[in-house]
Amino acid sequence: VQLEESGGGLVRPGESLRLSCAASGFIFRNYYMSWIRHLPGKGLEWLGYVSSDGTITDYASSVMGRFTVSRDNAADLLHLQMNSLIVEDTAIYYCATGPWSFDHWGQGTLVTVSS
Amino acid sequence: DVVLTQSPPSLTVPLGQPASISCRSSQSLVYSDGDTYLSWFHQRPGQSPRRLIYKLTTRDSGVPDRFSGSGSGTDFTLEISRVESEDVGVYYCMYITHRCSFGQGTRLEIK
Repeated sequence: VQLEESGGGLVRPGESLRLSCAASGFIFRNYYMSWIRHLPGKGLEWLGYVSSDGTITDYASSVMGRFTVSRDNAADLLHLQMNSLIVEDTAIYYCATGPWSFDHWGQGTLVTVSS
Repeated sequence: DVVLTQSPPSLTVPLGQPASISCRSSQSLVYSDGDTYLSWFHQRPGQSPRRLIYKLTTRDSGVPDRFSGSGSGTDFTLEISRVESEDVGVYYCMYITHRCSFGQGTRLEIK
């Protein structure tokens, strides 16, 4: 099983960014998938998930309306669209299998929001 | 939403001694199927989190048996029977159904 995030980088406040997570080594379309972030000097925060078929999503209150989780099962890809970014969104972003599991995680991609 | 409160925020333990981390939930974590979807994770500096325990008490493959999870309802505990140097890092409890949530973490250091 391998999960590899990409798309992180430096953005200015108010801008948007789209992260991707490439999955391999397992039947991606059978798994719910989540995004989690690790805020600098703080703990882990679950952001949201998408169901295995992509029809159901849910989000943490802190990002609802700004972040969107989606997937492309034909390409084994998970996405996180982040809009109206603020400085407090600076973090390492991880994709992981879950809810219900979280037994596999990517290595993370760093997003820095700064003017 | 479920709020998980961990204690202590940090602990320093001599090698070979036991360690215990508490996780208290704002509501019962027993799901409609009867299982308790409380997991424990370990994160070393610069690494991704690794799941140690799932469904309250079940250790993941490769996790030493000195790690154990226990509890019920709203009170949960991760115990390390004999701390080793590789155990340093931050431990998190997590509720893993639909709208998930993490505890704020407990940092373990070796004395």
